[in-house]
Amino acid sequence: GDSVTQMEGPVTLSEEAFLTINCTYTATGYPSLFWYVQYPGEGLQLLLKATKADDKGSNKGFEATYRKETTSFHLEKGSVQVSDSAVYFCALTPMDSSYKLIFGSGTRLLVRP
Amino acid sequence: DAGVIQSPRHEVTEMGQEVTLRCKPISGHNSLFWYRQTMMRGLELLIYFNNNVPIDDSGMPEDRFSAKMPNASFSTLKIQPSEPRDSAVYFCASSFQTVLYEQYFGPGTRLTVT
Repeated sequence: GDSVTQMEGPVTLSEEAFLTINCTYTATGYPSLFWYVQYPGEGLQLLLKATKADDKGSNKGFEATYRKETTSFHLEKGSVQVSDSAVYFCALTPMDSSYKLIFGSGTRLLVRP
Repeated sequence: DAGVIQSPRHEVTEMGQEVTLRCKPISGHNSLFWYRQTMMRGLELLIYFNNNVPIDDSGMPEDRFSAKMPNASFSTLKIQPSEPRDSAVYFCASSFQTVLYEQYFGPGTRLTVT
């Protein structure tokens, strides 16, 4: 079945460092891809999305590009802030389901001042 | 604006007891989801409602689990009888039908069954 694999955490960075969180997927055809973020004590919220190959999703300084050839959707940010500390989930919706979000295991990011 | 509201936030119960988790979706959203999060299995979709009707309950683990949505502003997830392996964080999420992937999650209920 369809699945998402994320890098293990935690990822610990100093403020203003460059962030990359790796995400790869296994799916039939062309799924839609997402990054969700969970801040401490809160529910998950959609951070960005890409619905077709080569699309770049972006929001709040975060970016991710849908790479069909490498089945990847890596999350990047040029300069992280302490407030970015959270758990980040990569997810996909299969081609045959518009509602079924399949999540990766999540990657915890800790940003130190 | 109020987000998705879940209650209780924490629940500790003994094996064999009935547990009821509650969810109030965002007003105007017509799709509702229940998820379970564990270390072993991550986030799993349990059930999906659209316009108060269960559409996909294939993720409900077994007959001990049941979910209802009597109206557009309230849903429950019930476990009876509860078992220690049910210990997890249970999330409720809601969305508009036209943008099903943009799901708004509640803060979750942490359930511990001893």
